[in-house]
Amino acid sequence: DQQVKQNSPSLSVQEGRISILNCDYTNSMFDYFLWYKKYPAEGPTFLISISSIKDKNEDGRFTVFLNKSAKHLSLHIVPSQPGDSAVYFCATRRTRAGNMLTFGGGTRLMVKP
Amino acid sequence: DVKVTQSSRYLVKRTGEKVFLECVQDMDHENMFWYRQDPGLGLRLIYFSYDVKMKEKGDIPEGYSVSREKKERFSLILESASTNQTSMYLCASGVYGQPQHFGDGTRLSIL
Repeated sequence: DQQVKQNSPSLSVQEGRISILNCDYTNSMFDYFLWYKKYPAEGPTFLISISSIKDKNEDGRFTVFLNKSAKHLSLHIVPSQPGDSAVYFCATRRTRAGNMLTFGGGTRLMVKP
Repeated sequence: DVKVTQSSRYLVKRTGEKVFLECVQDMDHENMFWYRQDPGLGLRLIYFSYDVKMKEKGDIPEGYSVSREKKERFSLILESASTNQTSMYLCASGVYGQPQHFGDGTRLSIL
């Protein structure tokens, strides 16, 4: 039973437009959320995070929104660039020692020039 | 800059073999993790370790074991490899409250 779901396996966006990647979770005890980006043949790299006490966090072109009542978070990339083409994973931290994460299935973003 | 190094990028083994995947980190992190990545399933946690000689099962530990004899090194062991263990294996390290740092992965094929 997946506790973190990314319902769109892929997304195609034109360069310069907004990319919106979505993620839903089931456990209201999750307290910290992250987005990772993964290029082929490389490990995931951390992109941006948000604590459950906030509803928005922004870092340059990347903004993460958290809607706790809906158990939903989204990643906005504005403007999208071809170099953003990658697989994006959302992850949540389980609320116990060890810093364990639960990952969604990933969304492949393709930004067309 | 944090460096997590996995010993092999690609590995081909036969069913029934004992397989060792090695991971080394250079940032003195307490926590180390082994995941496997499969299409549509994201990253699933196999095992993690929060200190030397300490380990805990993740979500899919069956068929795997781990070893952490030194703080910087975390090994994943496939006791008797099977074809359903063909996957991308990712090692990560980190400290509590900070994002995990990943290696570049080992693509393992079991024939």
